[in-house]
Amino acid sequence: DAMVIQNPRYQVTQFGKPVTLSCSQTLNHNVMYWYQQKSSQAPKLLFHYYDKDFNNEADTPDNFQSRRPNTSFCFLDIRSPGLGDAAMYLCATSRDAPVGIGEQYFGPGTRLTVT
Amino acid sequence: GQNIDQPTEMTATEGAIVQINCTYQTSGFNGLFWYQQHAGEAPTFLSYNVLDGLEEKGRFSSFLSRSKGYSYLLLKELQMKDSASYLCAVRLSGNTPLVFGKGTRLSVIA
Repeated sequence: DAMVIQNPRYQVTQFGKPVTLSCSQTLNHNVMYWYQQKSSQAPKLLFHYYDKDFNNEADTPDNFQSRRPNTSFCFLDIRSPGLGDAAMYLCATSRDAPVGIGEQYFGPGTRLTVT
Repeated sequence: GQNIDQPTEMTATEGAIVQINCTYQTSGFNGLFWYQQHAGEAPTFLSYNVLDGLEEKGRFSSFLSRSKGYSYLLLKELQMKDSASYLCAVRLSGNTPLVFGKGTRLSVIA
């Protein structure tokens, strides 16, 4: 089935140790998003790619970087994780709104623990 | 800033009807989405409104009033599996990303 896949589902890293989360999609959507979601909070957009164009949210810390080497894959790099970065990280995709309604499809998320 | 408000928690009885409200004050509006999110899982798309009125999809319906900045999600014939968080999200314009509310945690009890 076409879907959004995130690996790993659970990631434990040490304080300050770089970590990379991955996302792939078989939907051939041109837009990909990374969200951070903490318990009982709304998903917070970190950045998104519109095709190859990278869009960073103004309040996304420099500690968070992203790469999109091709349409199907997107990576989230956390250069020096702090305890406050422990959260669920959600990847999502969508197509341009003129094609359909542009709803976002989410992956299952990666739960990051920082020790 | 963008503001999307939903009740934090609601409880309803199996078989009943529940209405989850969402109000928004945003700098633009190009559609309102409702998502369902079970604990520890990803949000899944439920419904979309861009024009005023009611959209019905099986047991779930969603209503929008743009002049009032108001939407609701109506769940009928509640089932235990409907226990989840329900997220209201607004697209501000064109293809901009969605702005999410904090979600309403619904508990369905027997």
